[in-house]
Amino acid sequence: GENVEQHPSTLSVQEGDSAVIKCTYSDSASNYFPWYKQELGKRPQLIIDIRSNVGEKKDQRIAVTLNKTAKHFSLHITETQPEDSAVYFCAASGGTGRRALTFGSGTRLQVQP
Amino acid sequence: SQTIHQWPATLVQPVGSPLSLECTVEGTSNPNLYWYRQAAGRGLQLLFYSVGIGQISSEVPQNLSASRPQDRQFILSSKKLLLSDSGFYLCAWRETGSGPQHFGDGTRLSIL
Repeated sequence: GENVEQHPSTLSVQEGDSAVIKCTYSDSASNYFPWYKQELGKRPQLIIDIRSNVGEKKDQRIAVTLNKTAKHFSLHITETQPEDSAVYFCAASGGTGRRALTFGSGTRLQVQP
Repeated sequence: SQTIHQWPATLVQPVGSPLSLECTVEGTSNPNLYWYRQAAGRGLQLLFYSVGIGQISSEVPQNLSASRPQDRQFILSSKKLLLSDSGFYLCAWRETGSGPQHFGDGTRLSIL
């Protein structure tokens, strides 16, 4: 089955700096890659997603890149703000015989004011 | 627009007691439905998913069970709770096929 690895597990940056979180996946048939942000005690919320027919997608300060050959995708947050502090999860789906997202283990991002 | 409702928000139960958590989705038909558990400070563990009424796939063998009695209703149950069942339980839905998955607000379950 699909395996998604995410790193780093924790990331601390200064306000205004960029943050990058990376994920790798194992199933070459996966074709959908969302990113979720989870604030303390709350539900994960979708912040951006990308499909395998696109290499990059951007939404204001957030961008995601996908390298299908290497089977990895990354989340880029520019001009970080304290409210970006949260746990971020990557996920993959669409692989053979599986109808659920496979999540990475999460990255705790702390933006220092 | 679609909405997902999950209740209760918090629950405190003694060891050995039964459990029933309910999740309903509005504004869509034949969604894929999911139950996840999240231990404190940890990732999302998929427990069950369903692609249709009465169709349940179990990801992790344990003392929990799930049922889907109606198209947009998903229930998580246990006959006898264990201390290890404590956690944050999240229901989620997704349109049939590939696409974003949307989570409910979750139930925080504490076992005493």
